Amino acid sequence: EAAVTQSPRNKVAVTGGKVTLSCNQTNNHNNMYWYRQDTGHGLRLIHYSYGAGSTEKGDIPDGYKASRPSQENFSLILELATPSQTSVYFCASGGANSDYTFGSGTRLLVI
Amino acid sequence: GDSVTQTEGQVALSEEDFLTIHCNYSASGYPALFWYVQYPGEGPQFLFRASRDKEKGSSRGFEATYDKGTTSFHLRKASVQESDSAVYYCALGSSGGNYKPTFGKGTSLVVHP
Repeated sequence: EAAVTQSPRNKVAVTGGKVTLSCNQTNNHNNMYWYRQDTGHGLRLIHYSYGAGSTEKGDIPDGYKASRPSQENFSLILELATPSQTSVYFCASGGANSDYTFGSGTRLLVI
Repeated sequence: GDSVTQTEGQVALSEEDFLTIHCNYSASGYPALFWYVQYPGEGPQFLFRASRDKEKGSSRGFEATYDKGTTSFHLRKASVQESDSAVYYCALGSSGGNYKPTFGKGTSLVVHP
């Protein structure tokens, strides 16, 4: 069954530390997305990718980097984590006008 | 840029009540429209979509009709159940070659038994 898998499910990080969130998809979708979800804000797009080797800035990219080394994998990198980046992060895959498939989320706490 | 505005905050109903969650959009081009549902502790799940004017999407008793004239895609269900309690997101997919999907802020539905 096609799926989007995120790891880890939960993460506690120290302020100033580096955090990498991973996402793997078996949908063979070209496009992948990283969102954060906060109460009152819904889903906000951080970075997205059209395919292997490409990354694009979303609506709130500051403080985040992304990497798409292959069709299947898309990572979100916080080089210097801050408490304001405490949130739930969702990865999704999809194509132009296609259905978007989301992972189960990563809950990140930065202390 | 593209945007989606949906019923804000929480909608509280009793079982067997009629549900409407409003969704209006602004987009260049001719986007596909979607509804997603999110249960606690899970990621959003695709509910259904519509791709052209007057097309009706439906799933699990929920339905919405794409209305290009009023730029709307309102979610309706005739008789809600407690198990429908969740957060619902209206979204629009790629328009004009832009591959960024746009989501509304979500509407929390609470159904009391």
